[in-house]
Amino acid sequence: NAGVTQTPKFQVLKTGQSMTLQCAQDMNHEYMSWYRQDPGMGLRLIHYSVGAGITDQGEVPNGYNVSRSTTEDFPLRLLSAAPSQTSVYFCASSYRAERTYEQYFGPGTRLTVT
Amino acid sequence: DAKTTQPTSMDCAEGRAANLPCNHSTISGNEYVYWYRQIHSQGPQYIIHGLKNNETNEMASLIITEDRKSSTLILPHATLRDTAVYYCIVRVTGTASKLTFGTGTRLQVTL
Repeated sequence: NAGVTQTPKFQVLKTGQSMTLQCAQDMNHEYMSWYRQDPGMGLRLIHYSVGAGITDQGEVPNGYNVSRSTTEDFPLRLLSAAPSQTSVYFCASSYRAERTYEQYFGPGTRLTVT
Repeated sequence: DAKTTQPTSMDCAEGRAANLPCNHSTISGNEYVYWYRQIHSQGPQYIIHGLKNNETNEMASLIITEDRKSSTLILPHATLRDTAVYYCIVRVTGTASKLTFGTGTRLQVTL
């Protein structure tokens, strides 16, 4: 299994540009999440999904959109990039089962907005 | 979810046990304690979790006090590869999603 994969690894955007960060997992996990990590900080939850067709907002959702058309993929869209969105973005997935304790994280996408 | 407090940084000599404390004095009866670590800006990695009993796996041991207000993660024989930021997280359910990460403890393992 490849686990959780993210593309691209690095991206530079100009203010106002839009782009989509890709996330895919091959573990048949129901739950998928997007986090951002600013320098010297912990991770903050942006959006999450409990299954295909179901998404919800996390702690810092403004400026981001998500959709979940398949179990495997959970793309994150930046509608109009701003310098405040410069961060490292991590995607994560886990099983939905009640006794699931481990969340699997991807390697991250490092985004710079100028 | 209950708030957690961890020291900002700790040092440990290679081969010695690393004991990382976490305070979660407002923890509720149905909240689990999770530990994750993040090595050099990689994605976080799950280490261990517990509810009220001490737990051990191939990576670490978790000691939870009887009143559950604090816990300690123990890496029995720290190596240089254990240098990382360690996060203590309290989560209300048995599911792994929607974790709230603080700033964690930066553990530096030295020769």
